[in-house]
Amino acid sequence: GENVEQHPSTLSVQEGDSAVIKCTYSDSASNYFPWYKQELGKRPQLIIDIRSNVGEKKDQRIAVTLNKTAKHFSLHITETQPEDSAVYFCAASDDYKLSFGAGTTVTVRA
Amino acid sequence: KAGVTQTPRYLIKTRGQQVTLSCSPISGHRSVSWYQQTPGQGLQFLFEYFSETQRNKGNFPGRFSGRQFSNSRSEMNVSTLELGDSALYLCASSEGHMNTEAFFGQGTRLTVV
Repeated sequence: GENVEQHPSTLSVQEGDSAVIKCTYSDSASNYFPWYKQELGKRPQLIIDIRSNVGEKKDQRIAVTLNKTAKHFSLHITETQPEDSAVYFCAASDDYKLSFGAGTTVTVRA
Repeated sequence: KAGVTQTPRYLIKTRGQQVTLSCSPISGHRSVSWYQQTPGQGLQFLFEYFSETQRNKGNFPGRFSGRQFSNSRSEMNVSTLELGDSALYLCASSEGHMNTEAFFGQGTRLTVV
C-alpha cells in the first residue's frame, strides 16, 4: 500500500520568512496530492492540491511542487504570518484511498 | 450547502464496550471515508465507502467496521473497545473518487477508560 513520509515534524520560522515541508510517496499509482491545514481544535481543510500531470501550482503565498520521477512533493509558504501556525498534512491518493503523512507542526514567531 | 456532520462530538466508553459513530456527508457526495487521528500518528485511513460499497480498507483489526446507507450517510462501529482506540475519528466526504477534494467533519473524540 501507499506510504507517505513527511519532514520535518516540527518547523519554527520567523514571521516573514519562508517555510518548506517535504513529502515522499511510494505508490506510483498515486495521482492526486493534496495538502491540508489543521488549526488547533479544528477540522483539516484543503489549502492546495496538485495532480500528477502538473509539476507546480501556486496560490498566492502557497505553492506546491511535484517530482513524479523521484516520488516527492513539497509545500512552500512564503512571507509567513502568525495565522499560518498550524499542523500541515500532505497526502497522496489513487482513486480509492487517501494516505496522509504524519504532519508538520508549523510555528510562526512574531 | 451544509458541511460534513459527525455525531456525537464526544464519547466516553469503557473497555470492552462497543461504539457507533455517524457521519452525514455533504449533499450530493457519494464517497465517505474514515480516519483515526492520534498525536504523532497523523491521520490513519480506516475505510472508504461509495454507493454503499466498501472500496478500500486500511490496516485496522476487524473490530473496526463500517457501512454506508442509500442516502450516503455512513456509520463506523468499533467493538470490544481497547484503551488504544482513544482518538479523534474523522470522516470526510467527496464527490466520487478519492482524487477529488475531501471535506472533513469536526470529528468524534472517543475516550476509552
